[in-house]
Amino acid sequence: AQSVTQPDIHITVSEGASLELRCNYSYGATPYLFWYVQSPGQGLQLLLKYFSGDTLVQGIKGFEAEFKRSQSSFNLRKPSVHWSDAAEYFCAVLLSNDYKLSFGAGTTVTVRA
Amino acid sequence: EAGVAQSPRYKIIEKRQSVAFWCNPISGHATLYWYQQILGQGPKLLIQFQNNGVVDDSQLPKDRFSAERLKGVDSTLKIQPAKLEDSAVYLCASSPGGNYGYTFGSGTRLTVV
Repeated sequence: AQSVTQPDIHITVSEGASLELRCNYSYGATPYLFWYVQSPGQGLQLLLKYFSGDTLVQGIKGFEAEFKRSQSSFNLRKPSVHWSDAAEYFCAVLLSNDYKLSFGAGTTVTVRA
Repeated sequence: EAGVAQSPRYKIIEKRQSVAFWCNPISGHATLYWYQQILGQGPKLLIQFQNNGVVDDSQLPKDRFSAERLKGVDSTLKIQPAKLEDSAVYLCASSPGGNYGYTFGSGTRLTVV
């Protein structure tokens, strides 16, 4: 079945430490890939997206993500987290046959001082 | 450019009552989506409009939910009668189409008591 999996429900990280959020997808073809962030009470903000080309994608707020076709993964990273990065993060895929965005269940990030 | 506008931000109703949500997409965006986000889950697509026509409403509980997009611009989503399990954030998003990705509104948080 087609799916987007975020294996980690909740991650706690110290301020200044690095962060990596995992995302795996299961689709017949390579979809378009996205990471969104949602702060409490807010809508979804696009961090970055991958369509094709360079497999390392730079986004806003210092985030980057790497597409690995062999692993069907699109993991999100940040070298040094700030307290303001505490939020929920969603990986999403868009298929070229219907252009509907499908989301993973999300990973909640807590940042401790 | 102005973002996707949604109202109200919050709504509390009793079960079996009716409620309506409003969305004004980004000007010129042909495609409009309504998503339901239950606490602790990723957003789930309810309905997709292309201009003022429905493209996909396969996930919309049509016995109680209805949506329309008059003149291909604003859209309303209605629930009648509401159930406890309808408590969620309802997100509206718009897109110019293709793989350009979506822009989300801030959402309407519905609590059914």
